[in-house]
Amino acid sequence: SQQGEEDPQALSIQEGENATMNCSYKTSINNLQWYRQNSGRGLVHLILIRSNEREKHSGRLRVTLDTSKKSSSLLITASRAADTASYFCATGGSKTNSNSGYALNFGKGTSLLVTP
Amino acid sequence: DGGITQSPKYLFRKEGQNVTLSCEQNLNHDAMYWYRQDPGQGLRLIYYSQIVNDFQKGDIAEGYSVSREKKESFPLTVTSAQKNPTAFYLCASSFTRTEQFFGPGTRLTVL
Repeated sequence: SQQGEEDPQALSIQEGENATMNCSYKTSINNLQWYRQNSGRGLVHLILIRSNEREKHSGRLRVTLDTSKKSSSLLITASRAADTASYFCATGGSKTNSNSGYALNFGKGTSLLVTP
Repeated sequence: DGGITQSPKYLFRKEGQNVTLSCEQNLNHDAMYWYRQDPGQGLRLIYYSQIVNDFQKGDIAEGYSVSREKKESFPLTVTSAQKNPTAFYLCASSFTRTEQFFGPGTRLTVL
């Protein structure tokens, strides 16, 4: 079942602006991951944050995790047209989701459009 | 190059036909997964396998079957029992509890 839920569903910004996407989930997790998908392509892993971490950086990406609120955010700074894609959060290793082993639960994604 | 491949890229199926989607990885990953993606939706888990000769049903396994005879391969068969198979199918692999690596996907259309 889909556990993560991204917000907003769609986001349109201009190059150079920052883009913030949020993810909420329902059950306890071992880690939360963010993926990117260009139209009609496979997903590409961006960043993984563990349940005992609060913030993580990777290049222009910053991810935060608040386990008390069961939420995460992905910030893309100084966005570029090439950042146009759908972004998904995925939760894994839920202690209550033993049916899926190490498989991930994905949200429906945020569609980001960056215009020049 | 290490990676995960899927074939074919596009597949067309007639009503009542079974079709098999290929997924191969040379990343030495133990776990492999099949997901289905419908337009504007996230990914839903069909089947997963954590070790050779073992696999488990995901959330939407009805009408699908898999095998895992080799570590590198995890083919998915879409059977005639799957009433609405038109979708984008994604295969992934991983070591346990780490990031997943995805193939480029197969787009299946029922004629």
